[in-house]
Amino acid sequence: GAGVSQSPSNKVTEKGKDVELRCDPISGHTALYWYRQSLGQGLEFLIYFQGNSAPDKSGLPSDRFSAERTGGSVSTLTIQRTQQEDSAVYLCASSLAPGQGNSPLHFGNGTRLTVT
Amino acid sequence: AQSVTQLDSHVSVSEGTPVLLRCNYSSSYSPSLFWYVQHPNKGLQLLLKYTSAATLVKGINGFEAEFKKSETSFHLTKPSAHMSDAAEYFCVVRMDTGGFKTIFGAGTRLFVKA
Repeated sequence: GAGVSQSPSNKVTEKGKDVELRCDPISGHTALYWYRQSLGQGLEFLIYFQGNSAPDKSGLPSDRFSAERTGGSVSTLTIQRTQQEDSAVYLCASSLAPGQGNSPLHFGNGTRLTVT
Repeated sequence: AQSVTQLDSHVSVSEGTPVLLRCNYSSSYSPSLFWYVQHPNKGLQLLLKYTSAATLVKGINGFEAEFKKSETSFHLTKPSAHMSDAAEYFCVVRMDTGGFKTIFGAGTRLFVKA
């Protein structure tokens, strides 16, 4: 079946521009996560959506970062006025609702963002 | 608050020797625990997960992990390393009650020498 789909796979943008990253989760997965992985680093939690509940935004590094999830499915991560330190791979993952058999996260292939 | 600590940033073993990647966690609630592997320029793949049914969990590619509540550990092991095991390994903790934020450890890079 289809996995988590992220687009674009690569994005090069100029400093100061806004970017939008898209994530299409696995059908039926109510939980959706965004992470950031900088070169040679681990995964940094950004934001988490679960069903219709208010998202957990505690990992967003600044107010330039925002995310929404429309209709409980597709999610968009927006970075405004990009900075060079925003360069990283942005990973999206989805899962069944937590508590449903310790559902693991299924990851997309990520969007590699380069800010020049 | 929950957290996860991978005790070694790098581990180097010879092919055919055992692998031990260490992970300690803290969680206010009963956690779910996972190990993921990331090969160079590849996506994240689930190795195994702790379901609370058994403390010794077997995963793919011959890996296994043992949940020890008294030590708050979930170390990953493999009896005999292969060259193809060279990758980055992440220990992951998720609370099953309250918030469901899933936290990744910093990762352990495994090197396998011929």
